[in-house]
Parts: sequence; structure tokens; C-alpha cells
Amino acid sequence: KQEVTQIPAALSVPEGENLVLNCSFTDSAIYNLQWFRQDPGKGLTSLLLIQSSQREQTSGRLNASLDKSSGRSTLYIAASQPGDSATYLCAVGYNNNDMRFGAGTRLTVKP
Amino acid sequence: DTEVTQTPKHLVMGMTNKKSLKCEQHMGHRAMYWYKQKAKKPPELMFVYSYEKLSINESVPSRFSPECPNSSLLNLHLHALQPEDSALYLCASSQPREGLNTGELFFGEGSRLTVL
Repeated sequence: KQEVTQIPAALSVPEGENLVLNCSFTDSAIYNLQWFRQDPGKGLTSLLLIQSSQREQTSGRLNASLDKSSGRSTLYIAASQPGDSATYLCAVGYNNNDMRFGAGTRLTVKP
Repeated sequence: DTEVTQTPKHLVMGMTNKKSLKCEQHMGHRAMYWYKQKAKKPPELMFVYSYEKLSINESVPSRFSPECPNSSLLNLHLHALQPEDSALYLCASSQPREGLNTGELFFGEGSRLTVL
């Protein structure tokens, strides 16, 4: 059974800090990995998608890396802002359109 | 258009009611998903339709019945639910890559269900 783990469960940082969120998965036979943001009571917004053949993807202040062999991905957020406060979820894509989520990291950026 | 539209946004139902949640996408995606999310928990996969056929059923109780009438629509029929079924129900779609390999997921805003 595929398991996806996110560390830390919660993180609080002052505005302006750079930070790293971690995602690990037990089954390395993945096709892709996707990072999402979720605001309270809302749906999920896609941030970055990394295909299994890629090492990283960048969008603005966000950079996601993937090490498939070690079963790890990181989401790096540069110069954090209070508007970045949300829950960040990673989801791992397997064959047969199977997509499994980690429990998320709840980020608070303090002004 | 990268939208997945879910209706209704909120639904309150009794344990003897029959209701349906609806999901629509016009991105030409051929995989559609239902996830259930309880408060402060990650989304849990319920069902996946690939090319309008049910490809994943995560041992969901039969009081939840999915339906995919065409490639743009996905329904979740609800009957005889329990209060513990109260949750946010999220629909998503993706375009499979190279057959059945998972593509990028796009989510709707969800339907918040309360069972009394």
C-alpha cells in the first residue's frame, strides 16, 4: 500500500523567511508528484507538478524537487509572506490514475 | 478553462434522504475523481473513473454510488447516509498520460455535506 508522509505537520515562521516542506513516499514506482495549497474550507489549488523523469520544477517563489530513488520531495518557499499561510499537501501519482495524499503541513507566516 | 465545477456547494440531508452531488469539467479530461475530506485531514480517495469506466473503488460503502454519464460529468448519489459521512466532498479531473498514467489533477471547490 502506498504511504505518503509529510513533515512537519505544522510550521510557524516570521515573514520573509525561506522554508522547506518535506514529503516522502514508500512506493517509488511513481508517475508524478503534485504539490497543492488548501485554504480553510476550500478546494485544492495546484502549485507544481513534477513528472517522475524530472528533478525539479519552479514557479515564482516556489521550487519543488523530486528524488524518486529515495522517495522524497521538497517544496521550497522563498521570502515567505502572510498570504502564504495555508495547508500544503503533496500527492503522489501512480498508475491507473491513482493519486494519494499526504496529511499536509499547516503553514502560518506571521507578519 | 481550467475549472471543475461542483454543485451544490452546501447540502444538508437527513439519514433517510436521497440526494446527489454533481461535478462538471470542460477540459476534455478523461479521468475523474471523488475524494472525501474530513476537517484537518487529507483528502481520501473514494472513486476514480477512467474513460468513463470505474477504475478504482476504495471499498466505499454502498450508500455512496458514483455515476459517470459522460466524459464531462460525474455524479455521487447519496442514500441512507450516517452523520459520520458529513465531510467536504471534492471532485477532481485529470488527463491521463500515456494511457492510464496519472496526469495533473484539477480540483473543484467541493460540496460540504452535513448529515443530520
